[in-house]
Amino acid sequence: QQPVQSPQAVILREGEDAVINCSSSKALYSVHWYRQKHGEAPVFLMILLKGGEQKGHEKISASFNEKKQQSSLYLTASQLSYSGTYFCGTAQVSGNTPLVFGKGTRLSVIA
Amino acid sequence: EPEVTQTPSHQVTQMGQEVILRCVPISNHLYFYWYRQILGQKVEFLVSFYNNEISEKSEIFDDQFSVERPDGSNFTLKIRSTKLEDSAMYFCASPTGFGYTFGSGTRLTVV
Repeated sequence: QQPVQSPQAVILREGEDAVINCSSSKALYSVHWYRQKHGEAPVFLMILLKGGEQKGHEKISASFNEKKQQSSLYLTASQLSYSGTYFCGTAQVSGNTPLVFGKGTRLSVIA
Repeated sequence: EPEVTQTPSHQVTQMGQEVILRCVPISNHLYFYWYRQILGQKVEFLVSFYNNEISEKSEIFDDQFSVERPDGSNFTLKIRSTKLEDSAMYFCASPTGFGYTFGSGTRLTVV
């Protein structure tokens, strides 16, 4: 049931774009995206719900393909502050249900 | 922004000893979660707590673990007899209107 993230790691230069994918073999109700800096707690970025609703930070964009059970996080014009590990967390039902997290994608942005 | 507070930030304990990790979730929230993250790995669900009761737990949350609410606002995660493999970051998290707010975590080192 663990979602699969790809790529495992990516290195970008400032200003470049990246896409991080998260896919599940199970039907999903929601996909959450978090960013974690080394030694810190994960920080919420965005939630995508079945049916198309999205909530999150304005500068972050993501998509959720319900037919494929796949979500993609789009990072455009990357900045040094974007560096960190990105996790997707998935839930199969609505309500306060625990998330199942992927293994993460390590993003490094260099000058 | 509402905060989730965890103490201590770092605890070193000898194998076989009991440890108690503390969390103050976002006030008036009935739901919260405990997760753990072994160094460099994914965030793993341990247990969810709703209205003073465990609502769901993972296979990791065995008889060595317990969750309590000793007073109106504090929650504790107790590990009765720590093992080397319990070394990890432990996070509590409160669900908000969207996503989770994670606490800053407790780094547990079992030696």
